[in-house]
Amino acid sequence: AQSVTQPDIHITVSEGASLELRCNYSYGATPYLFWYVQSPGQGLQLLLKYFSGDTLVQGIKGFEAEFKRSQSSFNLRKPSVHWSDAAEYFCAVGPFTGGGNKLTFGTGTQLKVEL
Amino acid sequence: DTGVSQNPRHKITKRGQNVTFRCDPISEHNRLYWYRQTLGQGPEFLTYFQNEAQLEKSRLLSDRFSAERPKGSFSTLEIQRTEQGDSAMYLCASSWDITEAFFGQGTRLTVV
Repeated sequence: AQSVTQPDIHITVSEGASLELRCNYSYGATPYLFWYVQSPGQGLQLLLKYFSGDTLVQGIKGFEAEFKRSQSSFNLRKPSVHWSDAAEYFCAVGPFTGGGNKLTFGTGTQLKVEL
Repeated sequence: DTGVSQNPRHKITKRGQNVTFRCDPISEHNRLYWYRQTLGQGPEFLTYFQNEAQLEKSRLLSDRFSAERPKGSFSTLEIQRTEQGDSAMYLCASSWDITEAFFGQGTRLTVV
């Protein structure tokens, strides 16, 4: 079964500093990969997604992520964090053609931004 | 606003009562999903509709849970005989294809 691991439960960065959030997945083939952001009490907003092709994908709000097949990773990055980026970030894998339609999420990384 | 709409946003109920949540997807989306999110966890898949057909159900969806999507438009999720363990955020999402799901703001259920 597919699974997603986000090793960092909490991360604190200073405003203007760079950010990298880690995501590792387990799946037998190249999955569809997603990063979502959730502000307190809100639903999830898609930041970016990877299906195939260029392994470096650009998303909204200045975020990017790099797919590394050899490491089964899909880490999220941002060169300069803004205070408004404070939120919870979820990595997800799926859905799988012919194998179901669900997204499998990691447990999330809570980002705190210090001014 | 043409996003996914969920009502109510918050629901407090006594243990043993029945509750029903509603989700109105983006109008042209034929796929609709329900997820449950507990504190400190990522969303967990509950069920999936394509048009009016419920095509997939998670083992998390016990007999006390039922979901419908009449006419392939809005969907309802009902929980019967609520338990404290049902306290969670219930998220609805819709999509046109498998490439992107749009989430609503969720219904937060508190069972007291």
